[in-house]
Amino acid sequence: KQEVTQIPAALSVPEGENLVLNCSFTDSAIYNLQWFRQDPGKGLTSLLLIQSSQREQTSGRLNASLDKSSGRSTLYIAASQPGDSATYLCAVRAGSARQLTFGSGTQLTVLP
Amino acid sequence: DGGITQSPKYLFRKEGQNVTLSCEQNLNHDAMYWYRQDPGQGLRLIYYSQIVNDFQKGDIAEGYSVSREKKESFPLTVTSAQKNPTAFYLCASSQTGIEGYTFGSGTRLTVV
Repeated sequence: KQEVTQIPAALSVPEGENLVLNCSFTDSAIYNLQWFRQDPGKGLTSLLLIQSSQREQTSGRLNASLDKSSGRSTLYIAASQPGDSATYLCAVRAGSARQLTFGSGTQLTVLP
Repeated sequence: DGGITQSPKYLFRKEGQNVTLSCEQNLNHDAMYWYRQDPGQGLRLIYYSQIVNDFQKGDIAEGYSVSREKKESFPLTVTSAQKNPTAFYLCASSQTGIEGYTFGSGTRLTVV
């Protein structure tokens, strides 16, 4: 059964820092990996989608990488801002029904 | 704008009652999903449907029921058999290939 782990569970950084969030998964037979952002009490907003054949995706200050063989993905946030404060969730799509399996998330706080 | 609409935003249930959460999408996606989120935890799959009139149990289906009579709609009923229903419920949709998921804004259910 696929398991997804995110480390750290919480992270607090001063504004302007570059930071990396980590995601690992146990079964490398995935279709894709998706990073989401969740603000308190809200739904999930998709940030980046990486297909299994890709190594990375970029959107603005965000860059996500995928290493399928080692079962790892990272989300790099450049020049962090207080508005980046949220919970970031990693999810992999796998299995015959191609459903998403989620990690528990990293709660990010960017201090002004 | 295309998207997923969940209603109501907040729902209160008395002991022994069944309640139904609504999920509607206008993205023309084939697959729809229901997830449950508890504080500090990742999302867990309740039910999913890949085509109309067909649905499958996820990891935590006990105490829940669904229907998929129309492509656009995938309502979730939380029955009295669900002993701990207080949680945040999220509906999502996707194409059944390898595209990303789109999520609704969620329904917060509280037992009173």
